[in-house]
Amino acid sequence: EDQVTQSPEALRLQEGESSSLNCSYTVSGLRGLFWYRQDPGKGPEFLFTLYSAGEEKEKERLKATLTKKESFLHITAPKPEDSATYLCAVRPPKYKLSFGAGTTVTVRA
Amino acid sequence: EAQVTQNPRYLITVTGKKLTVTCSQNMNHEYMSWYRQDPGLGLRQIYYSMNVEVTDKGDVPEGYKVSRKEKRNFPLILESPSPNQTSLYFCASSLSGTAGLEQYFGPGTRLTVT
Repeated sequence: EDQVTQSPEALRLQEGESSSLNCSYTVSGLRGLFWYRQDPGKGPEFLFTLYSAGEEKEKERLKATLTKKESFLHITAPKPEDSATYLCAVRPPKYKLSFGAGTTVTVRA
Repeated sequence: EAQVTQNPRYLITVTGKKLTVTCSQNMNHEYMSWYRQDPGLGLRQIYYSMNVEVTDKGDVPEGYKVSRKEKRNFPLILESPSPNQTSLYFCASSLSGTAGLEQYFGPGTRLTVT
């Protein structure tokens, strides 16, 4: 069974304090790893797709990386508007996604 | 505006009373999916559809039905709701299921079953 574990559950940062979120996964035949951002009361918003170990993607202050067992979402010099829950999901060979429980990030000004 | 819409946004119902949550997308996407989100459990996939008339079970399909008769619509049916189906439900779509699964999510439907 596919498993996705995100850590930590919650992260409180000072504005400008860089940090990383972890997504560990167990899946046979990974077809893609996805990062989403979810604001309170809203649906998740797509951020990145990573397909193979060593791949990296960047968007503004966010950078996602992938190894054979885990992915990291690095937040560089965060701002209060980066406060959200960040979700990781994996796609096995089937056409479905398995999500982790998420990491809630709070950035204080 | 490209979007996924869900209706209703909020619903309170009683055990056993059949209900339907509608989902529609205007992006001509082939792949559509339903999820439920519960505290501590994250998003769990209920059903997905690769295209019209093609549906398959996700991880938690028990107690739910779906149909895909038109490309743009993917309703979720609870024929006999129970309190354990109280949850936040999301519909999502993506261009293709065979390519990447970058999904666009709807705003959510908060369902309470008493």
